[in-house]
Amino acid sequence: QKEVEQNSGPLSVPEGAIASLNCTYSDRGSQSFFWYRQYSGKSPELIMFIYSNGDKEDGRFTAQLNKASQYVSLLIRDSQPSDSATYLCAVENFNKFYFGSGTKLNVKP
Amino acid sequence: DTEVTQTPKHLVMGMTNKKSLKCEQHMGHRAMYWYKQKAKKPPELMFVYSYEKLSINESVPSRFSPECPNSSLLNLHLHALQPEDSALYLCASSRSGTSGFDEQFFGPGTRLTVL
Repeated sequence: QKEVEQNSGPLSVPEGAIASLNCTYSDRGSQSFFWYRQYSGKSPELIMFIYSNGDKEDGRFTAQLNKASQYVSLLIRDSQPSDSATYLCAVENFNKFYFGSGTKLNVKP
Repeated sequence: DTEVTQTPKHLVMGMTNKKSLKCEQHMGHRAMYWYKQKAKKPPELMFVYSYEKLSINESVPSRFSPECPNSSLLNLHLHALQPEDSALYLCASSRSGTSGFDEQFFGPGTRLTVL
């Protein structure tokens, strides 16, 4: 059974729009939740982390966590073509990090 | 400095070769990780070192041998690999190595090709 589920996409949005990325996880004991951005051929880059229920905003990015629903999301406002990448959701439990398969985002100029 | 460095960037080796991958961080982090990532797949955890002790081995074949000489360095020794072991090998580190609330930072990776 997969620990972390993401829609593989691709998710296509026009430049300037809001991109919404979703992730569900199976282990209720999970404690920390992360969003990574990965460009093709590069390593994952941490863009957001969240530990508590609710919203966390950092610039154009907002992470949302709902532990009761075991759901994490990432909103990207004013999407730019440079945001085009694969977004990986990661969940941490007892120092093990489990990654979703990633959602490919295409932002069209 | 939030940098994790890895060497070499690229490595080509035969199935009978012995080689090593190196990872270094100077952020004072006490947990270090090895991941394997195949194309269009997420990173798969291989090993975790916490306070220089191996704490997690995700049933990795013995042809991969990790080593943590000190809190800043992590090596992955490779021997008798198979072509299916070709992948991007990622090193990561995090602050405390204890459970929860610990951001993990990745190095640029080593692209390994086994012939």
